[in-house]
Amino acid sequence: ILNVEQSPQSLHVQEGDSTNFTCSFPSSNFYALHWYRWETAKSPEALFVMTLNGDEKKKGRISATLNTKEGYSYLYIKGSQPEDSATYLCAFNTGGFKTIFGAGTRLFVKA
Amino acid sequence: DTEVTQTPKHLVMGMTNKKSLKCEQHMGHRAMYWYKQKAKKPPELMFVYSYEKLSINESVPSRFSPECPNSSLLNLHLHALQPEDSALYLCASTPATNEKLFFGSGTQLSVL
Repeated sequence: ILNVEQSPQSLHVQEGDSTNFTCSFPSSNFYALHWYRWETAKSPEALFVMTLNGDEKKKGRISATLNTKEGYSYLYIKGSQPEDSATYLCAFNTGGFKTIFGAGTRLFVKA
Repeated sequence: DTEVTQTPKHLVMGMTNKKSLKCEQHMGHRAMYWYKQKAKKPPELMFVYSYEKLSINESVPSRFSPECPNSSLLNLHLHALQPEDSALYLCASTPATNEKLFFGSGTQLSVL
């Protein structure tokens, strides 16, 4: 059974704080690792798709790293803003149609 | 148009009812997906259609019946559901395999 674990489950930070979350996934049969951002009452939206060990991706204040050998990815948010409040999902793909999700990290940013 | 549209947004049904969830995309994506998500749990894959043919059924009970009438539409027919089937049902699409998923905003289903 393929398992994707995310930690922490939830996180409360102050505006301006930098923060990071972890995604752990099986290190075998790896094809791609996805990060999604899901705001309440909206659709999950892809942030990053990473495929290579050592990949780093950046989008504004959000960045992600990938270690496929040890099976983890970090998502970093620099200078959190209230609009960053959302659930951040990671998902693991072995190639093909199956993308297996973690339960997400719920981020609350207080102004 | 980069949207996946799901209707209805909310649905309440009894255990003897028959209802359908609808999903539509006009991005030319050839793969469409149904996921089920319960609160604080990961979204779980139910079905995948590729080029309008069922590619994956993750051992989903037959009271859930998917249908892909054409490349833009995906339905999920519901019959004789149980209260434990109450969940958020998410539709998604991808241009091909291995690519990022484009999601709808989901149908929140309550089975009484």
